[in-house]
Amino acid sequence: KAGVTQTPRYLIKTRGQQVTLSCSPISGHRSVSWYQQTPGQGLQFLFEYFSETQRNKGNFPGRFSGRQFSNSRSEMNVSTLELGDSALYLCASSVQGASNEKLFFGSGTQLSVL
Amino acid sequence: AQSVTQLGSHVSVSEGALVLLRCNYSSSVPPYLFWYVQYPNQGLQLLLKYTTGATLVKGINGFEAEFKKSETSFHLTKPSAHMSDAAEYFCAVRITTNAGKSTFGDGTTLTVKP
Repeated sequence: KAGVTQTPRYLIKTRGQQVTLSCSPISGHRSVSWYQQTPGQGLQFLFEYFSETQRNKGNFPGRFSGRQFSNSRSEMNVSTLELGDSALYLCASSVQGASNEKLFFGSGTQLSVL
Repeated sequence: AQSVTQLGSHVSVSEGALVLLRCNYSSSVPPYLFWYVQYPNQGLQLLLKYTTGATLVKGINGFEAEFKKSETSFHLTKPSAHMSDAAEYFCAVRITTNAGKSTFGDGTTLTVKP
């Protein structure tokens, strides 16, 4: 079974641009969550999608958005990029997103904003 | 609401020595607790989890953790460190009233000296 796949692996953008990151969960997993990882803030929850619906959202500005498609693949978008958005963005999937389920993580997308 | 505190951002042990990584949590409802490991340039992978039942949980690679409700702790241990254990370790908490969201500690970097 293929693992969680995130593309692209690396991205370099400039301030003011927008970016779209993609995540393909493990087959059969319907929950996809996104996390931002930085040296200063650690792992911060962005949002979680289940069956194409956003079920939960972290404390990030509206520039951060996401969506989930009928095949459970998910995308997140960041508009009007700021230098502080430079981070490793991790996607994780699970079957139902239940609280007792483990998360399967992708290798992440490393975003650098110049 | 839930939160996690990992005591010690860096822990260094000699090969063959005991590994002890500390995690304390705060939760308004009974929590589910997880330990994840992250190797350089990779996503996180689950070491072990506590949901219900036995409070001593065994995981992969010889790690185990004990849930102590009275101390609100979930410390990770391994009797004998191996060079391959060098990585960053994250403690995480999830609760049923906050669907889809995991709250992570700031991480502990484990160094293993030969």
